[in-house]
Amino acid sequence: DTGVSQNPRHKITKRGQNVTFRCDPISEHNRLYWYRQTLGQGPEFLTYFQNEAQLEKSRLLSDRFSAERPKGSFSTLEIQRTEQGDSAMYLCASSLEVGGYTFGSGTRLTVV
Amino acid sequence: DQQVKQNSPSLSVQEGRISILNCDYTNSMFDYFLWYKKYPAEGPTFLISISSIKDKNEDGRFTVFLNKSAKHLSLHIVPSQPGDSAVYFCAASAQGNQFYFGTGTSLTVIP
Repeated sequence: DTGVSQNPRHKITKRGQNVTFRCDPISEHNRLYWYRQTLGQGPEFLTYFQNEAQLEKSRLLSDRFSAERPKGSFSTLEIQRTEQGDSAMYLCASSLEVGGYTFGSGTRLTVV
Repeated sequence: DQQVKQNSPSLSVQEGRISILNCDYTNSMFDYFLWYKKYPAEGPTFLISISSIKDKNEDGRFTVFLNKSAKHLSLHIVPSQPGDSAVYFCAASAQGNQFYFGTGTSLTVIP
């Protein structure tokens, strides 16, 4: 499979629980991005890695959110103490230097 | 503050005709632009890009036009096909890192 893979596809969690999502980018892509998309909006940038270095973080990424890319390959996005406002589609994308991203299918999070 | 705007939330076009989707941006530092298509329950799919050194880029039925002075870009689809029905997002970046997305335009191509 040459696409960007995200797991799980759907996650339902109770408010206050922690959740972790995984993204496996296209293997030769050194850049990896996390975006969040809510209904009726375009994707909003959360954070960006070049290899294993996290180079940019959005103000949207509160201290409850943390992302890692430990070996410059897959990445995880963790949300601690989830709130209902965290319900959204979390999209991962990868790219090789500057250019069109390839997006994964996303993880839809529902906080109840 | 929305730096990339798609002012038409929806567009309906007859099959075979031209679809024109518009996008405006406010940041004059943006130098790279993308169009994405999104079907329900899927992630966005890259369609076509354009850098600020060009004013037009073509790929098959898809053409993107960039008017830097007006801070405006448009996506033309000719001829439109029912399979083109989807939500289309434009996105812009400065230096190619963080992309700012518009809110999308839902295109319906009527057979």
